[in-house]
Amino acid sequence: RKEVEQDPGPFNVPEGATVAFNCTYSNSASQSFFWYRQDCRKEPKLLMSVYSSGNEDGRFTAQLNRASQYISLLIRDSKLSDSATYLCVVNRGGGGNKLTFGTGTQLKVEL
Amino acid sequence: GAGVSQTPSNKVTEKGKYVELRCDPISGHTALYWYRQSLGQGPEFLIYFQGTGAADDSGLPNDRFFAVRPEGSVSTLKIQRTERGDSAVYLCASSPDSSNYGYTFGSGTRLTVV
Repeated sequence: RKEVEQDPGPFNVPEGATVAFNCTYSNSASQSFFWYRQDCRKEPKLLMSVYSSGNEDGRFTAQLNRASQYISLLIRDSKLSDSATYLCVVNRGGGGNKLTFGTGTQLKVEL
Repeated sequence: GAGVSQTPSNKVTEKGKYVELRCDPISGHTALYWYRQSLGQGPEFLIYFQGTGAADDSGLPNDRFFAVRPEGSVSTLKIQRTERGDSAVYLCASSPDSSNYGYTFGSGTRLTVV
């Protein structure tokens, strides 16, 4: 079983739609959590950290459920420019800030 | 510079050759990380430095891979006797220290072994 699992998609949604991505992680000792965005042939870029209380950044909302070891990302009012791969990322802890990435979920926002 | 800089951006090499990939981190960042991303996969951890020393090299796939950071700034990832399976994008990242931040990646070196 992979340490971080995501549905690879693609998710094809019309502009303006709301879309949700989910992710599960296997290591219960994981300490911090992130969503990264990666455009085609570009480096991953930090989208947002994920906190147990849930957090929002504009149209993006992230949630963490430690009991279920589950992370989510909700995008409201999708834009064409949101088309990218969204990577779920976990810091296992234990020192060193090593990140473990999921394989990513591809989002295509269409007219 | 303002961001993490990696050179070259692309490298094509023949099987069996030696390659060096360079990473210039954000000025003042003490922690530096190398990851490798194969097609259709997320980045995978290779090695991280805190200052000059390799604090964790558990992700290096075998002894053909080696990395250095002699002065605590620029780092070089070295691959000996390259194999076709080494073809990937090699990503470098840096952070102010090794606390639990999400860090910033460079644009990567795309290595192709033919």
